[in-house]
Amino acid sequence: EAQVTQNPRYLITVTGKKLTVTCSQNMNHEYMSWYRQDPGLGLRQIYYSMNVEVTDKGDVPEGYKVSRKEKRNFPLILESPSPNQTSLYFCASSPPGLSGYTFGSGTRLTVV
Amino acid sequence: AQSVTQLDSHVSVSEGTPVLLRCNYSSSYSPSLFWYVQHPNKGLQLLLKYTSAATLVKGINGFEAEFKKSETSFHLTKPSAHMSDAAEYFCVVSDPNTGNQFYFGTGTSLTVIP
Repeated sequence: EAQVTQNPRYLITVTGKKLTVTCSQNMNHEYMSWYRQDPGLGLRQIYYSMNVEVTDKGDVPEGYKVSRKEKRNFPLILESPSPNQTSLYFCASSPPGLSGYTFGSGTRLTVV
Repeated sequence: AQSVTQLDSHVSVSEGTPVLLRCNYSSSYSPSLFWYVQHPNKGLQLLLKYTSAATLVKGINGFEAEFKKSETSFHLTKPSAHMSDAAEYFCVVSDPNTGNQFYFGTGTSLTVIP
């Protein structure tokens, strides 16, 4: 089944403790992207990648890192999480062109 | 710059009545436009997309949207609401010239009253 898989689905962590949210897609898509969803704000893009080793900042990149060493994987790294990064995170992938993104099921992160 | 405005944050309809979710966009280029649906505690599912072909686009579950360039609108409609349509709906504009970046509206929450 074609899908984008994120792990974990739920995560509670403490301020300052580094964490990684993994994202993997099995559709051989070139484009991958991370979003955060907050009430009343819709989804905002954190980082995106157009291909292996090619990444760029989205609208809200502060406090996040990404890497794209393999085509299928696009992990999101929070080096020193803070409570304002408590949010629902979505990974998505897309081929080039206008097909639209396929989204993962989301990761609900709480930073206390 | 691309942006999307969803004109209603909440819409309530009775089951069996028409649904209208409004979306206006701003784009420097010929845009691609999408509607996504998010059911509670679920990811986002593509409903339909406009990519400069037919201006009336049909999607899944009986939804459709019409691209109106003169009004910069891409409103989502359905003739008859079903209880299972209750969800959050997002209008999205994309510019393929900027790496397939998506720009989301803030969402419209649809309630269907039995």
